[in-house]
Amino acid sequence: GAGVSQSPSNKVTEKGKDVELRCDPISGHTALYWYRQSLGQGLEFLIYFQGNSAPDKSGLPSDRFSAERTGGSVSTLTIQRTQQEDSAVYLCASSFTGHNTEAFFGQGTRLTVV
Amino acid sequence: GQQVMQIPQYQHVQEGEDFTTYCNSSTTLSNIQWYKQRPGGHPVFLIQLVKSGEVKKQKRLTFQFGEAKKNSSLHITATQTTDVGTYFCAPYGGATNKLIFGTGTLLAVQP
Repeated sequence: GAGVSQSPSNKVTEKGKDVELRCDPISGHTALYWYRQSLGQGLEFLIYFQGNSAPDKSGLPSDRFSAERTGGSVSTLTIQRTQQEDSAVYLCASSFTGHNTEAFFGQGTRLTVV
Repeated sequence: GQQVMQIPQYQHVQEGEDFTTYCNSSTTLSNIQWYKQRPGGHPVFLIQLVKSGEVKKQKRLTFQFGEAKKNSSLHITATQTTDVGTYFCAPYGGATNKLIFGTGTLLAVQP
């Protein structure tokens, strides 16, 4: 595609429900990142996929968070039993490699837990 | 882990004034990238610095990488209202092997 696509753009969910956020990276990009950004805050690293390597999950805040990347392309971030503190914008980025090329960001998914 | 501080956290300038943000790492970096995030938008890549002491310019923006490759700066000359946003550095190397971001500097420009 032309850019990194994320869906949905907005999601309102009730506390305790599970949510799935989707990221469709730029074709050919082997690296894929998920970040969380709370209002007025910085970019909190969540998880990093690079090719066929095991993902770097060191940023996931709790075991309620998980992510997968199927076929080296689309990625899904799942949050189970959502809490109000999970409310934030979730940003996905992809790049040709992990560290020395430009990362392209999607528009993000704004998650609101009520 | 790697500590990446950006200063200042926030700066308010009058249009036409200069602006500088600094990114400081506790470890030696392989390279550093800079991104800009407009209000309500997503981060957009500005530049990458790789060499010790490197200086790159993009119109009114000047980017520097320190001689020891532990710090970097972004300087904007004669700010304009279009410069409003948050500027993030993204260092790579040392203790990290992934793209992480500094704390960011929010720039407000008063016309």
